[in-house]
Amino acid sequence: DAGVTQSPTHLIKTRGQQVTLRCSPKSGHDTVSWYQQALGQGPQFIFQYYEEEERQRGNFPDRFSGHQFPNYSSELNVNALLLGDSALYLCASSLLPLYNEQFFGPGTRLTVL
Amino acid sequence: AQSVAQPEDQVKVAEGNPLTVKCTYSVSGNPYLFWYVQYPNRGLQFLLKYITGDNLVKGSYGFEAEFNKSQTSFHLKKPSALVSDSALYFCAVRDGPGNTPLVFGKGTRLSVIA
Repeated sequence: DAGVTQSPTHLIKTRGQQVTLRCSPKSGHDTVSWYQQALGQGPQFIFQYYEEEERQRGNFPDRFSGHQFPNYSSELNVNALLLGDSALYLCASSLLPLYNEQFFGPGTRLTVL
Repeated sequence: AQSVAQPEDQVKVAEGNPLTVKCTYSVSGNPYLFWYVQYPNRGLQFLLKYITGDNLVKGSYGFEAEFNKSQTSFHLKKPSALVSDSALYFCAVRDGPGNTPLVFGKGTRLSVIA
């Protein structure tokens, strides 16, 4: 049973560019959450998707957007990249109800130059 | 709003000794508490959770955690540390069963010395 997968593993972009990160949830999971983990920090919640809709959003600007597809996979898009967007982006999947633990993917390391 | 504090950036223990990684939390409702571990260049791995029931929760790899409501703490413990336990540990909390996201602490780096 494949766990949560993310692509790409690493990404280098320049300021002002746009980026799309992808996530496939663990088999049977219907909810996908995205987190940003800056160096030396804990993960910070970006948003959560369930039934192809954004259900919860953390304190991130509109430059961060997402999508969930009918097969439950998800994308995270970041526009107008800033140096401060450099981080490890983690995708986590779970099955409602929300007291179930989330399973995390290996992450995508984004570097903005 | 919920929050988590991990007061120690780093914990060092000798192999075979017991280990404790501390976590305190703040929520307005009932806390749902989690511990995750992160190895270098890897995502987070779930260790254990407390939702309700016994205050002592047992998890993966011999880890356990004790929920203390009066002290709002959820410390991670292991009776005998292994060198392979060396990693970054994160405590996380959710405020009750509603649609609220996980809030993570800043993490504690555990080093087990042979």
